[in-house]
Amino acid sequence: QKEVEQNSGPLSVPEGAIASLNCTYSDRVSQSFFWYRQYSGKSPELIMSIYSNGDKEDGRFTAQLNKASQYVSLLIRDSQPSDSATYLCAVNGFNKFYFGSGTKLNVKP
Amino acid sequence: DADVTQTPRNRITKTGKRIMLECSQTKGHDRMYWYRQDPGLGLRLIYYSFDVKDINKGEISDGYSVSRQAQAKFSLSLESAIPNQTALYFCATSDTRAGLGSSYNEQFFGPGTRLTVL
Repeated sequence: QKEVEQNSGPLSVPEGAIASLNCTYSDRVSQSFFWYRQYSGKSPELIMSIYSNGDKEDGRFTAQLNKASQYVSLLIRDSQPSDSATYLCAVNGFNKFYFGSGTKLNVKP
Repeated sequence: DADVTQTPRNRITKTGKRIMLECSQTKGHDRMYWYRQDPGLGLRLIYYSFDVKDINKGEISDGYSVSRQAQAKFSLSLESAIPNQTALYFCATSDTRAGLGSSYNEQFFGPGTRLTVL
């Protein structure tokens, strides 16, 4: 079983809509959770970190963590075409990082 | 200037050749990592190092070796390159900061090296 699972997509949303990206993980001792944005052929870019249950907001991005359900999500409000990318969920536990395969997001003008 | 740099950015080599990919960082982080990324397979960890004297194998270390020359430098070698090592290679760094009983780890990636083995 993979440690981190994401729907590969593509997830298509119209410009201005809310994009919702989801991730589940299997390691119950995971401590840190991250979302990365990766444009095609480029390196992953850290956009959100979350460490405790609840919501964390940063600009148009909101990360949500529910450790009991082993679930972390990313909401992107007012989606823009420039948000079109692959979003990687990552989990850190016992000093190792585990990455999901990523969800491809398409924001249509 | 970029905090994490990788050289070369692109490399084409032939089967059986030995090649080295280099990574340098100015972030002052103690931990460094090498990943490869293949389409549809996500990021896979090759090797990681928590300090100069601590080197650990990741999930796909066969056919690779590493050297941590200094806290800021971590190189990846392919002893005898083969075509299925064609991939995008990323170096990453992280810095453990303890706070409120939890460990905080944010991992930052270099720009990547696109390696093609013919």
